[in-house]
Amino acid sequence: AQKVTQAQTEISVVEKEDVTLDCVYETRDTTYYLFWYKQPPSGELVFLIRRNSFDEQNEISGRYSWNFQKSTSSFNFTITASQVVDSAVYFCALSEEGRDDKIIFGKGTRLHILP
Amino acid sequence: ETGVTQTPRHLVMGMTNKKSLKCEQHLGHNAMYWYKQSAKKPLELMFVYNFKEQTENNSVPSRFSPECPNSSHLFLHLHTLQPEDSALYLCASSQKHRSGNTIYFGEGSWLTVV
Repeated sequence: AQKVTQAQTEISVVEKEDVTLDCVYETRDTTYYLFWYKQPPSGELVFLIRRNSFDEQNEISGRYSWNFQKSTSSFNFTITASQVVDSAVYFCALSEEGRDDKIIFGKGTRLHILP
Repeated sequence: ETGVTQTPRHLVMGMTNKKSLKCEQHLGHNAMYWYKQSAKKPLELMFVYNFKEQTENNSVPSRFSPECPNSSHLFLHLHTLQPEDSALYLCASSQKHRSGNTIYFGEGSWLTVV
């Protein structure tokens, strides 16, 4: 069975601090896909990244970076030099090969960036 | 500007009302979805349409009735809802590949049932 765990329910940091959001997943498949989405107060889930299970290279996009480690089944997300606009709920998600309609979301981590 | 638009953004309805949520995607995708997001619950997949055909009904009560007239439009018809149906309803779309397709969401419709 597939499962996504985001153990951090809520995090608060002061602006300009770095923050890491944890994501641990479970799957029996060898081919799967991992995602991160951002949900600001307006409600829309904004797609941030997709990573397939064969690509363990870390990715950096501006202040955002992702650390994918198959050995620990983790796909963590780091925001460097956080800004108030980063305040949102962040969701990690997983889909398996051939079952991409059934994307499984974690419960989300609510991130507060304090000015 | 989002490629998936939802209307209305906010809706308050009585339990005896009939209303509809509308979704339109401008991304040329061939799959569309309805998700429900309640407070303190994970995102719940409700319905999936591929090429206008419903391929997933995740045990959703019949008071929610989806309609997909074409691959760009998706509706969720609501009737005799309960207060516990109050939630954020998110529409999404994707271009269906063999696997690993990325789902793009709209801004959601905030529904309050009174």
